Amino acid sequence: AQTVTQSQPEMSVQEAETVTLSCTYDTSESDYYLFWYKQPPSRQMILVIRQEAYKQQNATENRFSVNFQKAAKSFSLKISDSQLGDAAMYFCAYAYNTDKLIFGTGTRLQVFP
Amino acid sequence: DTGVSQDPRHKITKRGQNVTFRCDPISEHNRLYWYRQTLGQGPEFLTYFQNEAQLEKSRLLSDRFSAERPKGSFSTLEIQRTEQGDSAMYLCASSGTGNYGYTFGSGTRLTVV
Repeated sequence: AQTVTQSQPEMSVQEAETVTLSCTYDTSESDYYLFWYKQPPSRQMILVIRQEAYKQQNATENRFSVNFQKAAKSFSLKISDSQLGDAAMYFCAYAYNTDKLIFGTGTRLQVFP
Repeated sequence: DTGVSQDPRHKITKRGQNVTFRCDPISEHNRLYWYRQTLGQGPEFLTYFQNEAQLEKSRLLSDRFSAERPKGSFSTLEIQRTEQGDSAMYLCASSGTGNYGYTFGSGTRLTVV
């Protein structure tokens, strides 16, 4: 069974600094998708970034980038130039093909001014 | 299209009552997913539909839970004989052809008293 593990329950960063959130996963599949979702206190889940496993190039979306290590089954999220609005719960998620998302337990990110 | 809509936003019910939630996905999305999220946890998969066909149900989905997606458009999730353990946020998400990410609704928060 596929699993997603986020080992950092909480992280904090100062405004304008960089922070990295960790995620590992387990799967026997070779072609799959990985996601980072942000969930602010308003509770709506927002897609931050998406990675296709067959692509070696790491995905980037503005200040957000990932470090995808397929052999190590690692998928970390780097947030550069952190802003107060980045404070939220961040969930790493896995999906095989167009199947259901499997989520990790989340990392609460605090951003200090 | 205004995204994924869920109704109601909040529901308080007495133990033993039946409740029904509605989800309206993005119109061109053929897949619809239901998740349950308790405080401090990641969303847990409940069930998903491709068009009107229910393709998978989680073991978490007891016989008291039933979901439908008539005509492959909106979906309903019904919980019969609610229990206090059913108190959670119920999230709906939809996705289209391929896997370019899943769009979530704002959720329905259920409180069973």
